[in-house]
Amino acid sequence: KAGVTQTPRYLIKTRGQQVTLSCSPISGHRSVSWYQQTPGQGLQFLFEYFSETQRNKGNFPGRFSGRQFSNSRSEMNVSTLELGDSALYLCASSLEGQGVSGAFFGQGTRLTVV
Amino acid sequence: KQEVTQIPAALSVPEGENLVLNCSFTDSAIYNLQWFRQDPGKGLTSLLLIQSSQREQTSGRLNASLDKSSGRSTLYIAASQPGDSATYLCAATGANSKLTFGKGITLSVRP
Repeated sequence: KAGVTQTPRYLIKTRGQQVTLSCSPISGHRSVSWYQQTPGQGLQFLFEYFSETQRNKGNFPGRFSGRQFSNSRSEMNVSTLELGDSALYLCASSLEGQGVSGAFFGQGTRLTVV
Repeated sequence: KQEVTQIPAALSVPEGENLVLNCSFTDSAIYNLQWFRQDPGKGLTSLLLIQSSQREQTSGRLNASLDKSSGRSTLYIAASQPGDSATYLCAATGANSKLTFGKGITLSVRP
């Protein structure tokens, strides 16, 4: 059974650009959550999608957005990149929601903004 | 608002030692608590999941316990090995299905 796949693994972008990250969950999982990890703040919740609908949202500016497709794959977009957006972005896949069956993470996308 | 604390931030032990990693949380209304392992620059690997109705879970040399009333969980690692060196994070899942993570404990097991 394939795990959670995130692409790309590494990205370097310039301030002001936008970026799109992709996450393919474990087959059959309908929930995808996104997290930002930085050395100073640790892991912070961005948003969760379940059956193509955003179910929960963290405290991030509107520059961070996401969507989920009918096959449960999810994308996260960050517009007008800032240096502070440099981080490891992780997505987590869950069967019905993290509260029921726990979360399984991908390897992450390392975003560097220069 | 849920807060999860892991102390100490770093731990160094000799190989073979049994050790306990602690995790505390402020809101006992959780659905479950998970322990993860993270190697440098990598994603999180789920180690153990304890549902709120359970007291402990075991997998190999790992045993995790949960005490909701006191807001604490512990991860016990038996006979530690250098390959256990990593950062260990705990996360509590709240009523909104959101995981709240601790900052993690970086474990170093010396040969």
